[in-house]
Amino acid sequence: DAGVTQSPTHLIKTRGQQVTLRCSPKSGHDTVSWYQQALGQGPQFIFQYYEEEERQRGNFPDRFSGHQFPNYSSELNVNALLLGDSALYLCASSLYVGQGNNQPQHFGDGTRLSIL
Amino acid sequence: AQKVTQAQTEISVVEKEDVTLDCVYETRDTTYYLFWYKQPPSGELVFLIRRNSFDEQNEISGRYSWNFQKSTSSFNFTITASQVVDSAVYFCALSEARDTGNQFYFGTGTSLTVIP
Repeated sequence: DAGVTQSPTHLIKTRGQQVTLRCSPKSGHDTVSWYQQALGQGPQFIFQYYEEEERQRGNFPDRFSGHQFPNYSSELNVNALLLGDSALYLCASSLYVGQGNNQPQHFGDGTRLSIL
Repeated sequence: AQKVTQAQTEISVVEKEDVTLDCVYETRDTTYYLFWYKQPPSGELVFLIRRNSFDEQNEISGRYSWNFQKSTSSFNFTITASQVVDSAVYFCALSEARDTGNQFYFGTGTSLTVIP
């Protein structure tokens, strides 16, 4: 039973560039959430996708965008990279079982993004 | 204001000691979920427990136990007879349900070191 997989594991970019991170949810899951985890901090919620639509969004600028595909996989795109975007980006998946029923999220190992 | 507060940044205990990790949350919702996750040095967040706002029954799972008290907005986590493998960063998280998805808030984490 494949868990949440993310690619790439590490990435180095320079300021101003754009980056795309990818996530495949755990088998049987249909909802994907993305988080940014700065060093020594807790994960910060970026957004959540379900049925190929962004359903909820945290306090992140429009430079952060995403997409969910029909097979439930997802991409996180970040434009105009800043030094402060350096972080571990985590993808989490879960199964939607109805409004208000928050199933546990299963996390991937993350993508370590470094901005030079 | 922080939605989830983990006041203990770092804790060190000697193996076999009991340790309690504190979590205080803030929400205006009547329906919400609380979670604990463990993040070992490898980086992947591992789900430990989920509790909904209507279930204040405390839970014990092996060496782990959780004390949920709505009156004090706390959801504390105790490890009994700690082991070196328990060394990790532990995160408490709150999930609020919205019409179109769920918002998640993580605390800043408590780094637990178990000394052999």
